[in-house]
Amino acid sequence: AQSVAQPEDQVNVAEGNPLTVKCTYSVSGNPYLFWYVQYPNRGLQFLLKYITGDNLVKGSYGFEAEFNKSQTSFHLKKPSALVSDSALYFCAVSKRRGADGLTFGKGTHLIIQP
Amino acid sequence: GAVVSQHPSRVICKSGTSVKIECRSLDFQATTMFWYRQFPKQSLMLMATSNEGSKATYEQGVEKDKFLINHASLTLSTLTVTSAHPEDSSFYICSARDSERSYEQYFGPGTRLTVT
Repeated sequence: AQSVAQPEDQVNVAEGNPLTVKCTYSVSGNPYLFWYVQYPNRGLQFLLKYITGDNLVKGSYGFEAEFNKSQTSFHLKKPSALVSDSALYFCAVSKRRGADGLTFGKGTHLIIQP
Repeated sequence: GAVVSQHPSRVICKSGTSVKIECRSLDFQATTMFWYRQFPKQSLMLMATSNEGSKATYEQGVEKDKFLINHASLTLSTLTVTSAHPEDSSFYICSARDSERSYEQYFGPGTRLTVT
C-alpha cells in the first residue's frame, strides 16, 4: 500500500526567509507526487506535481519541490516566505497516472511570522 | 478554468435521514471523480472512485450501501449519505479528473455535514 509521511505538524518561518515543508513517500513503481494547499474554509488548491522529467518542479505562487528518488522525498520549498503563505499544506501520491485517487499525508501547518 | 463546485456547502440533518451532496465540474469533462472525507485536523481519506456510467469503486472499510455514489454525467457526481448518524459528521470533499489532462485532479470546496 502507498503512504505519505509529513513529519512536521507545524513549521514556523519568519517572513522573507526560505521555507521547507518535508514529505516522504512509499509506493511501488513510479510515483506521481503532488502538493496542495488548503486555506481555512476553502477547498484544496493545486500547487505543483511531479510526473516525470526534471527533479526540480516549479509550481504556483513561487513554490517548488525537489523529487529525490533515492531518499523517496518530495520536499516543498520557497526561497522567500510571505505571510500570505500561512496555510495547511498536503503532500499526496498516486500510483497510477491520474487513474487513482490520491493518498495524502496528514498535512503541515505553515506559519509565516511577520 | 478547472473549477469544481459542491452543493451544499453546509448541511445539518437529523439522525436517520439521508443527505445528497453534489459535485460538478463546471468547465471541463470529468470521466472520473473522487470522494474524500476529512475529519477535523486530519488528512483527507479517499472513500471511493466514481466513474461516469459505471459503478463506483469503494476503498476498504467504506460501506457502499451507506455512501451511495452516482456519476450520471461527465460533469456531475453525487454522494448520498443514507441513514446518517452523528459519526458520519465530517467534511466531504470531491475532486474531478480532467479527461483531457489525465493526471490533474481539481478539488471542490467541500461540504460540511453535521448529523444531530
